[in-house]
Amino acid sequence: AQSVTQLGSHVSVSEGALVLLRCNYSSSVPPYLFWYVQYPNQGLQLLLKYTSAATLVKGINGFEAEFKKSETSFHLTKPSAHMSDAAEYFCAVNPISNFGNEKLTFGTGTRLTIIP
Amino acid sequence: DGGITQSPKYLFRKEGQNVTLSCEQNLNHDAMYWYRQDPGQGLRLIYYSQIVNDFQKGDIAEGYSVSREKKESFPLTVTSAQKNPTAFYLCASRNYGYTFGSGTRLTVV
Repeated sequence: AQSVTQLGSHVSVSEGALVLLRCNYSSSVPPYLFWYVQYPNQGLQLLLKYTSAATLVKGINGFEAEFKKSETSFHLTKPSAHMSDAAEYFCAVNPISNFGNEKLTFGTGTRLTIIP
Repeated sequence: DGGITQSPKYLFRKEGQNVTLSCEQNLNHDAMYWYRQDPGQGLRLIYYSQIVNDFQKGDIAEGYSVSREKKESFPLTVTSAQKNPTAFYLCASRNYGYTFGSGTRLTVV
């Protein structure tokens, strides 16, 4: 089964510093990949998604992610952290081979803390 | 506005009781999903349904049951067979993208 691994369950960065959240997937065929954000006691909001078009994907709130097939990675970045970015972030995979039976498999999440 | 409504937001039940979580969507989406969220474990798929009157087990279906009698509704029952039911439950629906509800936090005492 395809899966994603998020390195670092907790990440802290200073306000204004670079945000880097890591995600690696396991698949011989590049899947569809997603990043979601979750604020406390709320649902998930889509930040961005990779669907085999451009490898550099731009999302909402200034986030972007780069798909690197050679590294099987889809790391999430933001040049300058804002206090409002404090939340939990989830990487998710949806195998292309699952057409007609799509389902998301999530990583274990990374809690991002912003230091004033 | 279209969306997914999960109710209630907080739910308390005594151990050994069955409880049903509601999930309703007005997005006209065919597919619906239930996920369970525990700290440090991400979201794990319980059940999903690609179409009315059909559903499939996810990765952690034991102790749960669902029905899909209407396109708009996908209720989840947490039965007494679920050994550790206290968790945050998220419902989602899908067309070209996924839409998530705001969740139900179930606490069993």
